[in-house]
Amino acid sequence: EAGVTQFPSHSVIEKGQTVTLRCDPISGHDNLYWYRRVMGKEIKFLLHFVKESKQDESGMPNNRFLAERTGGTYSTLKVQPAELEDSGVYFCASSQDRQGINTEAFFGQGTRLTVV
Amino acid sequence: SQQGEEDPQALSIQEGENATMNCSYKTSINNLQWYRQNSGRGLVHLILIRSNEREKHSGRLRVTLDTSKKSSSLLITASRAADTASYFCATDAGSGAGSYQLTFGKGTKLSVIP
Repeated sequence: EAGVTQFPSHSVIEKGQTVTLRCDPISGHDNLYWYRRVMGKEIKFLLHFVKESKQDESGMPNNRFLAERTGGTYSTLKVQPAELEDSGVYFCASSQDRQGINTEAFFGQGTRLTVV
Repeated sequence: SQQGEEDPQALSIQEGENATMNCSYKTSINNLQWYRQNSGRGLVHLILIRSNEREKHSGRLRVTLDTSKKSSSLLITASRAADTASYFCATDAGSGAGSYQLTFGKGTKLSVIP
């Protein structure tokens, strides 16, 4: 069974440009999460999808970030326009349990975003 | 301090020794999960312990949970060089609104010297 996959693994963009990150969750997992870790800080929650619906987007830093999960399968996270402080590693995770309680979240390898 | 705060921040041991990492948290939780991250790689799920459990084993891993002290420990027995990684605890507090976000600590960087 394939795990959570993320594309690209690395991205270097200039300030002001747009970047789109993609996450393919484990097949059959309704729950999909985005997290990020900026340099020296903790891994922080961004948002949570249940199928195609945003269940919780309380961690999204500002309106330059847009997440979508059309059709309830893969998800994209777009940053537009990117700023220097957006640099970090963006993780995607998925979990199976519809309720989400006491279910392991499986993480992808992450996308390392560098804004220069 | 942060929810899910690991201690120590860094730990260096000889191969074959045991490694113990601790995690403290602030709020009530549904469960606590431990993850490993090898350098430059993704997060690998190690073990989940529910709030009504006190101890759990998985191979060379032993996790304890003390909800009265809001703390957990991860013990790796007979460590190997391949165990060198950063270890994170993450708590699932369950907001009750249908969101199940994990709150991570900064991690413990474990170095196992061959």
